[in-house]
Amino acid sequence: AIQMTQSPSSLSASVGDRVTITCRASQGIRNDLGWYQQKPGKAPKLLIYAASSLQSGVPSRFSGSGSGTDFTLTISSLQPEDFATYYCLQDYNYPPTFGQGTKLEIK
Amino acid sequence: QVQLQESGPGLVKPSQTLSLTCTVSGGSISSGSYYWSWIRQPAGKGLEWIGRIYTSGSTNYNPSLKSRVTISVDTSKNQFSLKLSSVTAADTAVYYCARYTQDSSSWYNAFDIWGQGTMVTVSS
Repeated sequence: AIQMTQSPSSLSASVGDRVTITCRASQGIRNDLGWYQQKPGKAPKLLIYAASSLQSGVPSRFSGSGSGTDFTLTISSLQPEDFATYYCLQDYNYPPTFGQGTKLEIK
Repeated sequence: QVQLQESGPGLVKPSQTLSLTCTVSGGSISSGSYYWSWIRQPAGKGLEWIGRIYTSGSTNYNPSLKSRVTISVDTSKNQFSLKLSSVTAADTAVYYCARYTQDSSSWYNAFDIWGQGTMVTVSS
């Protein structure tokens, strides 16, 4: 199975900060990568698909980039509701695999 | 809009079979290019894909669980189900059902709709 490694595992930031989370695949996955946001006690929510396409209804402060093995999720100006855990997911081949998550906390 | 809802026992004894059902509302489980999936998350840990089914009945399972997993679909009830046999404490987790939309023409391939999740504890 393809291994997905996210960094950092946790991150402290302030409202208004620009934040970047990275995800690295153990082999090339083209752009078959999504980003999901999960808040405590809730199901994950799709933010980005195909590495850089914004899911309908998701604020434009979220953006994704990358191809091959290295990907990033950027939040341009953190809002209070953005503090959550973020996961990347590769669906290039089976089984789909998630990164271990990045917990974004308030500084 | 389409919504998913998991249901099933919250407590299962070791060595028994975990059985969950996901009910799809607001749309037909048979329409569109959708794969109906199960994903789980142990408390405080990450997400693990269990498997999926297409409305044709074709399935794919995570190799790590394949020997114990069966996913089926009942189109007449607009439901799909998960059975996980020979459970141990390591199977204790929140179980999510999710819709995977695959549209190669637009590169839209993603788990776009999720159920709220149901906690299953394996304990005697």
